[in-house]
Amino acid sequence: GQQLNQSPQSMFIQEGEDVSMNCTSSSIFNTWLWYKQDPGEGPVLLIALYKAGELTSNGRLTAQFGITRKDSFLNISASIPSDVGIYFCAGGDRYRSTTSGTYKYIFGTGTRLKVLA
Amino acid sequence: GAVVSQHPSWVICKSGTSVKIECRSLDFQATTMFWYRQFPKQSLMLMATSNEGSKATYEQGVEKDKFLINHASLTLSTLTVTSAHPEDSSFYICSARDKKTVGDFSYEQYFGPGTRLTVT
Repeated sequence: GQQLNQSPQSMFIQEGEDVSMNCTSSSIFNTWLWYKQDPGEGPVLLIALYKAGELTSNGRLTAQFGITRKDSFLNISASIPSDVGIYFCAGGDRYRSTTSGTYKYIFGTGTRLKVLA
Repeated sequence: GAVVSQHPSWVICKSGTSVKIECRSLDFQATTMFWYRQFPKQSLMLMATSNEGSKATYEQGVEKDKFLINHASLTLSTLTVTSAHPEDSSFYICSARDKKTVGDFSYEQYFGPGTRLTVT
């Protein structure tokens, strides 16, 4: 199925550093969601974005809905070891649907983050 | 709030047997639930959409007779892997969409903790 491109694919960073990752698409979305998945667990919703240009924070996490509506960015400030995991973006749009016609989110390929203490 | 549970968290079964996985939304009503499959180091692949009170719809390439889905209530959906084979071994994750709408046709979607299926 269709997937969104996430960059970087993986990254090693030192504890305390800031992290930036992005999610890009060739088409427009009207909603962006960011998730974190720990090994062996389901994804956990971190931030939801509903408006182009919107900037939303959740603790040390900040995400932005790109003004072109084709991309989104996630920043993590002052990373800590528990930030390790895979971060997925998901884009949604009323014109994308499952085979049943239900509003559907397209998921990114994931960014694997490893934090070195 | 917005908690989704799955049971079991892991299961080992013999080839040819069937396995049922339950997905529940614990503190909200979910008119729509989704079933995903995830292979190691890969993203989530949507298998099927389950709407309460109606038949599930399957994404292209997913065998509906093999992956039976029942969405009996606003808080429960089940996935049954029938006549399981080793190639069905995977991480299965359900997701529930909160009934309330946010913004323009947008919904928040929450995931369960996943079920690791191993078929021997």
